[in-house]
Formats: sequence, structure tokens, C-alpha cells
Amino acid sequence: NAGVTQTPKFQVLKTGQSMTLQCAQDMNHEYMSWYRQDPGMGLRLIHYSVGAGITDQGEVPNGYNVSRSTTEDFPLRLLSAAPSQTSVYFCASRLQVSYGYTFGSGTRLTVV
Amino acid sequence: GNSVTQMEGPVTLSEEAFLTINCTYTATGYPSLFWYVQYPGEGLQLLLKATKADDKGSNKGFEATYRKETTSFHLEKGSVQVSDSAVYFCALSAYSGGGADGLTFGKGTHLIIQP
Repeated sequence: NAGVTQTPKFQVLKTGQSMTLQCAQDMNHEYMSWYRQDPGMGLRLIHYSVGAGITDQGEVPNGYNVSRSTTEDFPLRLLSAAPSQTSVYFCASRLQVSYGYTFGSGTRLTVV
Repeated sequence: GNSVTQMEGPVTLSEEAFLTINCTYTATGYPSLFWYVQYPGEGLQLLLKATKADDKGSNKGFEATYRKETTSFHLEKGSVQVSDSAVYFCALSAYSGGGADGLTFGKGTHLIIQP
């Protein structure tokens, strides 16, 4: 049981480049979400999904897109990277609303 | 909107000291409350949770009680160890039945335990 798997672990992008952060879980969890962690800011919700085909915006969605075509996968897309998107990104999933989320190990993204 | 406020550190204690990290919240709906721990270079691990008023979550010697009257969920441990050094996050999930999800986090408390 791998849990929540995020790839890549590290990435450096140039301003304006696009990329997709991958997130996969093998626990058959319906609920998935993406967060960014910045120093002194805690974690902030970017997008979330309550099931395949259903996504919605969180607190800081600008500059990011998501889709949920399967229960297992929830990729996060940066269409045109900006230095303000330099951060550590975490994906998480959970089975039900009263359960805690299980987090991936994170992707450290630097935009230069 | 939802928000979580927790004491910001760093909090420095000696080994075997008593620990309290304060957490208060504002939420719509009926929130579930969580404490997560993050060790250096790692992701977040769920430490404990409580889903309704007066519930007590506990794990690895840590405890927190869901106090609806004071909108608080303070983390406590009777005797800390050096291995407890980490960043601790208080978080809530306020499911209101409208399809919203995700966690709202406090800014984190860096705990340093000295031998």
C-alpha cells in the first residue's frame, strides 16, 4: 500500500514554463486536495475534489488548474509558472469527511 | 470564512517538560479538528483528531479536547522528548453539506525540545 505518491520531488522551472505535478493514491479515497506551504504561512488550500469528475477552488487557486478523471489521480497544472509559485506543494487524500487526510511527501518547486 | 489561530514559535522546552500548544478556530458548519506534525524535510502526519464537541483525540502521549464553547483544540503532552521536536499544525475541516472540502490550517508552531 503506497499511500499518496507525488512526483517529482524537486523541480526547477523558468518563468513562463508549464508543468504538471502528479498525485496518485491507491486507497480508493474519494476526497483529494492540493496545498502549498510557504514559510510563515502554514498550508493553504489550492484546489480540492470530492470525487471523480468533481473539482473546486480553494483559498489560492489562481495560476493552477486541476482535473479528476479517475479516483486515483489528481494532477495539478501550472500553465505559466511565476516566481510567486515557488513553494512546497502537498497532495492529500481521505476516505470520508470526518477522517484525517493522508499527505504525500511533497514537491519542492522553484521558479526562476 | 474558516480560520485557525495557533501560537507561533519557536517554543523551546526542556526534556520531560509539560507541553501546551494553543489553537482556536472560527468555522461555519460543524468542523472536525486535527493536529498534524511535520518533521524536517517530510510531509505531514496526522497526530490526532476530534469530530464533535467534547471529543478527546489522543496519540503517542499527545491529547487535545474539542471545546465548542471556547472554540479551542489545545494540544498537550505531559512529558516531552527530544524526538517530539517538529512543527505542529492545527487544522479544521468544516463540512457543511454543500460539497466543500479541504483543510484550513494554522500557521504552525515550531517545537524545540532540548536535552
